Amino acid sequence: GEDVEQSLFLSVREGDSSVINCTYTDSSSTYLYWYKQEPGAGLQLLTYIFSNMDMKQDQRLTVLLNKKDKHLSLRIADTQTGDSAIYFCAETLGGFKTIFGAGTRLFVKA
Amino acid sequence: NAGVTQTPKFQVLKTGQSMTLQCAQDMNHNSMYWYRQDPGMGLRLIYYSASEGTTDKGEVPNGYNVSRLNKREFSLRLESAAPSQTSVYFCASSGGTADTQYFGPGTRLTVL
Repeated sequence: GEDVEQSLFLSVREGDSSVINCTYTDSSSTYLYWYKQEPGAGLQLLTYIFSNMDMKQDQRLTVLLNKKDKHLSLRIADTQTGDSAIYFCAETLGGFKTIFGAGTRLFVKA
Repeated sequence: NAGVTQTPKFQVLKTGQSMTLQCAQDMNHNSMYWYRQDPGMGLRLIYYSASEGTTDKGEVPNGYNVSRLNKREFSLRLESAAPSQTSVYFCASSGGTADTQYFGPGTRLTVL
C-alpha cells in the first residue's frame, strides 16, 4: 500500500547537524519532497528531489535518496533554533496524489 | 502576491451546524486541494480540483462537499458538522515546477 513513514521526534543541539529520515513505499514516485511547518502556519516547501537523482544540496540542506531501500533523508547542517518545526516527507505518484508522512518534530536546544 | 489565503482562521461550531471554508490563490494555478491535519496523522486529502470545472474525491471525502467557483477559488462545505470533523484544514494549490504544492495558513475548526 501507499505509506510514508517518519520518526515523530528528533532533538539536537544548536550547531549540530540534524538528520530526518523517511521511508516510502511506492517505487513509481515521481518527486519526493520535504516540507516545513512552523507553529500555527501552513506547510512550506523546503526542497524536492526528482526520483532519478541520488542527492540534492541547497545551502544548509542536503537530501539523499536511496531508491533501492525507498529511503529519503534530510540533513540540516549547523542547526539553529529557528529550524525548530515539524518536517514532513511527501511523495507524489503523478497526477494529483501526494502522500504525506505524519511529520517529524525537530527540537533544537540552545 | 498573497499566495494561498484561507478564511476564517478559527471557527467553533455546534454539532449539526453547517459552514463553508473559503480558499483563494493568486498564482494562476490550475489545481487546488483541501486537506485535514490531525495529530500524528500527517495530512489527508479530502477533495481536489485538477482544473477549473472539475472536482474529485480524495482519501477522506465523507461529510464534505466542494465547489471550484473559478480558477482562483475553491471552497469546502460541511453540511452537518460532527465532532470527528474537528481538525485543522489546509487549502493548497499547484501548477508549477515539480508539482509542488503551496499551502494556505489553515483554518482551525472545533465542533462541539
